[in-house]
Amino acid sequence: GAGVSQTPSNKVTEKGKYVELRCDPISGHTALYWYRQSLGQGPEFLIYFQGTGAADDSGLPNDRFFAVRPEGSVSTLKIQRTERGDSAVYLCASSLNPGLAGARYNEQFFGPGTRLTVL
Amino acid sequence: KQEVTQIPAALSVPEGENLVLNCSFTDSAIYNLQWFRQDPGKGLTSLLLIQSSQREQTSGRLNASLDKSSGRSTLYIAASQPGDSATYLCAPGKLVFGAGTILRVKS
Repeated sequence: GAGVSQTPSNKVTEKGKYVELRCDPISGHTALYWYRQSLGQGPEFLIYFQGTGAADDSGLPNDRFFAVRPEGSVSTLKIQRTERGDSAVYLCASSLNPGLAGARYNEQFFGPGTRLTVL
Repeated sequence: KQEVTQIPAALSVPEGENLVLNCSFTDSAIYNLQWFRQDPGKGLTSLLLIQSSQREQTSGRLNASLDKSSGRSTLYIAASQPGDSATYLCAPGKLVFGAGTILRVKS
């Protein structure tokens, strides 16, 4: 009955390096969302998966950002050539099946986030 | 593009007060609206989800209303407690969030 988990909880890297952030959604949830949050702001949408495919990746800021969900469960957010402006908390959420009507299918549940610091 | 505004940005009240937090949004073509709380350094915790066909939803001391046509939702917190201190965020639809209302309840 675990919730959404994210690893690592904290990541410090140097400018120009590559990082991977992992999200384990609630078991059985078909939808998975990535957001990033800067201090004092609400979460900013990055990408949304329905199953294995990216249903909406319009929030990815540029081609340095990429995400995969190869088996429809765990997802990895990948950031190449990190920049100081990428520093933020990266949040992951999942929901049961947003393609269906009803609160239980659409409610999003969030993980604790990964705090990324790019020096 | 959906734009979300939450008012007030911050609120400090004594314990026991009844509170109203406001969320307004520009695109009323939403299927639902979700309210969350976020404690410092933590992820978001779901409080209530109102479907577009509903006008309100209640959970304990929390009541959320939705007026799609006017693009507004209200979160009502009854008999506030220090443990309610957190940031409250609304999300009309599933991908766009407001900046939140920072609530502090003083004992």
